[in-house]
Parts: sequence; structure tokens; C-alpha cells
Amino acid sequence: EAQVTQNPRYLITVTGKKLTVTCSQNMNHEYMSWYRQDPGLGLRQIYYSMNVEVTDKGDVPEGYKVSRKEKRNFPLILESPSPNQTSLYFCASSFYAAEQETQYFGPGTRLLVL
Amino acid sequence: TQLLEQSPQFLSIQEGENLTVYCNSSSVFSSLQWYRQEPGEGPVLLVTVVTGGEVKKLKRLTFQFGDARKDSSLHITAAQPGDTGLYLCAVPTYPYNTDKLIFGTGTRLQVFP
Repeated sequence: EAQVTQNPRYLITVTGKKLTVTCSQNMNHEYMSWYRQDPGLGLRQIYYSMNVEVTDKGDVPEGYKVSRKEKRNFPLILESPSPNQTSLYFCASSFYAAEQETQYFGPGTRLLVL
Repeated sequence: TQLLEQSPQFLSIQEGENLTVYCNSSSVFSSLQWYRQEPGEGPVLLVTVVTGGEVKKLKRLTFQFGDARKDSSLHITAAQPGDTGLYLCAVPTYPYNTDKLIFGTGTRLQVFP
């Protein structure tokens, strides 16, 4: 089954404790992205990657890092989480065909930083 | 200031009613996408519209891209409880490249049986 998986689905942590949220897709997509979703602010892109070893900042990259060492994986790293990073995070992968792009989203990771 | 304004923010209706939700902007876009997000899940792409004035139908859902490609509407006929969810519109910041998407804040629809 074609899918994007994220782990963990739920995470409670404390300020300053480094964490990684993993994302994996089995569709051989080149493009992958991370978003955060907050009430009243909608979905905002954190980082995206156009291919292995190619990443770029989205709209809200501060406090986050990403890496793309393999095509299928795109982990999101919070080196020193802070309470304002409490949010719902989505990973997405996409492909481009016939001048249209289709994004597939993972199920989300709900993060609480105390 | 939001690039994309969606209205209404919330909508509660009875099963069988019709409804329309809107996505508006002052900017012109090469394309626009609509997603539906159900509770506890990620958004799922419903449709992409690319031509001004374009109308696409997906069963009971009708999507229209404005002639000037600045706005879009989603009309649902005879809504069902399964239509409940958050409806999001999104546009690419670069033409034909949705890697860098901007989303509206969404319309939360509740359909009661």
C-alpha cells in the first residue's frame, strides 16, 4: 500500500531535550515536506526536499533541522524543543506528472513540549 | 495577513443540505488545490484546478477556479455525514511546483445525520 508513515504519532517531551520525528514514504517520490498545523494559523511548511541531499527552508524553519540521506526518509529534528513548538506535524511526499503535482500526507505527529 | 482566506471558518448543517465554501486571494495563481482532512488524519488531495473558469466534479463535489485565477469555490450537493472534515485550499508559491505550498486556514464542516 502506497503510504507516508510517521513516528511517533504522539510525543510529550520537555524543553531542551532533543528529539527526532521520522518520516518514510514507499512511493519513490523525489519531493518531501514537513508542515506544522496550529489552530488559526493552518498548515505551514517548515522544510522541504527536492531530492536526496537537497533541502530548503519553508515558511517557518526556525528551531528545526532536516536531512535527506535516502530518498524514502526525511526526518525532522528538534535540537532544543521549546513550548512554542507544541503542534501537530505532518510529513508529505509528492510527485509531479502532466503538469500537476499530488501530495500525500502522513497521519501526523502530535507533539507537546512542556 | 493570510494569503488565502477561506470562508466560512465553521459550518454545521443537516444531512441533505447543499453548501458552498470559498477560497479567496488578491493574488493570481497558476493552480489551486483542495484537500479534505478528517480528524486524526493528514490532508487528502481532492482536486487540482489549473485553468481560469475551470470546473471539476468529484461525485457530489463541484470545484470551480475563478476566471482570474484568484479564487475558488467548493460546492457540495446533498451533504452526508461522511463529508465532515476540514477543507483546505492550497496554492504553490512557484508555478507548477507544489513543493512550497501555502494553505488557507480551512473551513471546518460538520454534517449531522
